[in-house]
Amino acid sequence: GAGVSQSPSNKVTEKGKDVELRCDPISGHTALYWYRQSLGQGLEFLIYFQGNSAPDKSGLPSDRFSAERTGGSVSTLTIQRTQQEDSAVYLCASSLQGTSNTEAFFGQGTRLTVV
Amino acid sequence: AQKITQTQPGMFVQEKEAVTLDCTYDTSDPSYGLFWYKQPSSGEMIFLIYQGSYDQQNATEGRYSLNFQKARKSANLVISASQLGDSAMYFCAMTLGSSNTGKLIFGQGTTLQVKP
Repeated sequence: GAGVSQSPSNKVTEKGKDVELRCDPISGHTALYWYRQSLGQGLEFLIYFQGNSAPDKSGLPSDRFSAERTGGSVSTLTIQRTQQEDSAVYLCASSLQGTSNTEAFFGQGTRLTVV
Repeated sequence: AQKITQTQPGMFVQEKEAVTLDCTYDTSDPSYGLFWYKQPSSGEMIFLIYQGSYDQQNATEGRYSLNFQKARKSANLVISASQLGDSAMYFCAMTLGSSNTGKLIFGQGTTLQVKP
């Protein structure tokens, strides 16, 4: 497809289990971002990938969160030992250049519920 | 610290009227970008309009315009001739030129409801 694709769209998991969220960016976009949106709130930056550079992990809330981007394309966000406060919508975005004047295109998000 | 403030949690507007959604920002970076995104109930984030800190003219995109007042550090979104499909949450966001990564700093959002 032409847009950013995220899977699964919904995920319910038990507290303590690990989850993996997938993002397939727009082809040719060098920059990829993960954000988290808690209920009724704005988006919180998690992590940023740009080409082959080391990722900017400054927004990850704890060491239970990690992400990788393979081959400069698909990215996976992993949350280990999930907690109830991890429940949120996780949004992935990509942009052509990843600069301050470049718009980001967002996926539909993955709604994560930890029970 | 960098921050975006949207002081209107919810707004109502009559169909076909114009509405202004407020956004103020705080940064010491002289170079920055300001964005507005729309988030319908379906959840996707849709880019609406962009204003660069050095742009002399206010940005416009169709029915959307950005009222950029640099001295006041405000970047209000104006939607003209509101339509029912404009009902959504609207987010103001900022990027910083110093890092030039495109990382977005978001406000808390404003929910807009258009009345028929």
